[in-house]
Amino acid sequence: GEDVEQSLFLSVREGDSSVINCTYTDSSSTYLYWYKQEPGAGLQLLTYIFSNMDMKQDQRLTVLLNKKDKHLSLRIADTQTGDSAIYFCAEISGYNFNKFYFGSGTKLNVKP
Amino acid sequence: ETGVTQSPTHLIKTRGQQVTLRCSSQSGHNTVSWYQQALGQGPQFIFQYYREEENGRGNFPPRFSGLQFPNYSSELNVNALELDDSALYLCASSFGQGRLSYEQYFGPGTRLTVT
Repeated sequence: GEDVEQSLFLSVREGDSSVINCTYTDSSSTYLYWYKQEPGAGLQLLTYIFSNMDMKQDQRLTVLLNKKDKHLSLRIADTQTGDSAIYFCAEISGYNFNKFYFGSGTKLNVKP
Repeated sequence: ETGVTQSPTHLIKTRGQQVTLRCSSQSGHNTVSWYQQALGQGPQFIFQYYREEENGRGNFPPRFSGLQFPNYSSELNVNALELDDSALYLCASSFGQGRLSYEQYFGPGTRLTVT
């Protein structure tokens, strides 16, 4: 079945850039997503990229997609303490396009 | 524009009992998906409803069932609760079906504890 993998933890200093990585196995993925979850809260849609794009920029967020390697990354510029949260990568598959598949999440810790 | 809301916020049930969780879609959305998020894990897809019909299901047993109403709000019912059902249950709404429902917005979730 579909598999989405992420590293578990990332720690950065305030003001630095953060890069969160994700790999997926389904080559028919059409959309790939980044969600943010703060403690005790639901998931907030940060951004998404269509599979025919290589890059998408949205203010401090840059998404890079390497479709050949099935690798997705989220770069957060000028990381702030308010960015501390769990970040989930997710995909919607081309075959089961009524389901989202989520990674296990990367916990980002921003030190002041 | 109202976002996705869920009720209750927290719930404690005993093994073997039944539970109903509720979700109100974001205004203008006609598709609702339910997810189970165990502690320390990513959300797992339970099922999706589009225009009151089940539109897809993940690997969950039949004791997980749902409904969608004409106003597109939804319920998740779980019968014969097991300890492993303890999790955060998330509802997400979107507009359209299948690939068209690619932009999902999540509610804050219901924390279910089964003792």
